[in-house]
Amino acid sequence: QKEVEQNSGPLSVPEGAIASLNCTYSDRGSQSFFWYRQYSGKSPELIMFIYSNGDKEDGRFTAQLNKASQYVSLLIRDSQPSDSATYLCAGDYGGFKTIFGAGTRLFVKA
Amino acid sequence: EAQVTQNPRYLITVTGKKLTVTCSQNMNHEYMSWYRQDPGLGLRQIYYSMNVEVTDKGDVPEGYKVSRKEKRNFPLILESPSPNQTSLYFCASSLSSAGAEAFFGQGTRLTVV
Repeated sequence: QKEVEQNSGPLSVPEGAIASLNCTYSDRGSQSFFWYRQYSGKSPELIMFIYSNGDKEDGRFTAQLNKASQYVSLLIRDSQPSDSATYLCAGDYGGFKTIFGAGTRLFVKA
Repeated sequence: EAQVTQNPRYLITVTGKKLTVTCSQNMNHEYMSWYRQDPGLGLRQIYYSMNVEVTDKGDVPEGYKVSRKEKRNFPLILESPSPNQTSLYFCASSLSSAGAEAFFGQGTRLTVV
């Protein structure tokens, strides 16, 4: 069974801090990973994707992938109250199937 | 404006009454997919389509049907809805086959009583 696991949270960080969101996956066959942000009552929004080991940075966001340890993480620097949302991690299994984690709720306190 | 449009946004129906949730995208994407989202379970893939007339089952296809007669449309059909299909449904489309769901629809909240 292919799985993507996330801590449901909530993760609470003060404004300006670094928020660290983690995700593990069970199938080494997964090639690509995605992070989505979902505000309450809204649809998911793709914010980062990564398929190579290491770090990928985009503005305040950094995605990290470690295929040997089968984990993916998302760092949000200088967290803002507007970053408060649920963050979904997803893995791509063979081109057309995408498996999502249940999501981690993040609260950024002003 | 690039978008994925689902209709209806909200629907309350009775057990056994056939219904269709429509999904349309205006980006000429080949790949489209349906998900359901339930508390604590995240997004689970129901069906996906790689192109016109090409569809396949996701992880939770039971009780659902889809069709892809045109590139832009990918309706989700519940022939005989049951209460366990009460959920929030999302349609998504992507340009590539890499699995990245670049665009999601607004969601359809379905209640089956």
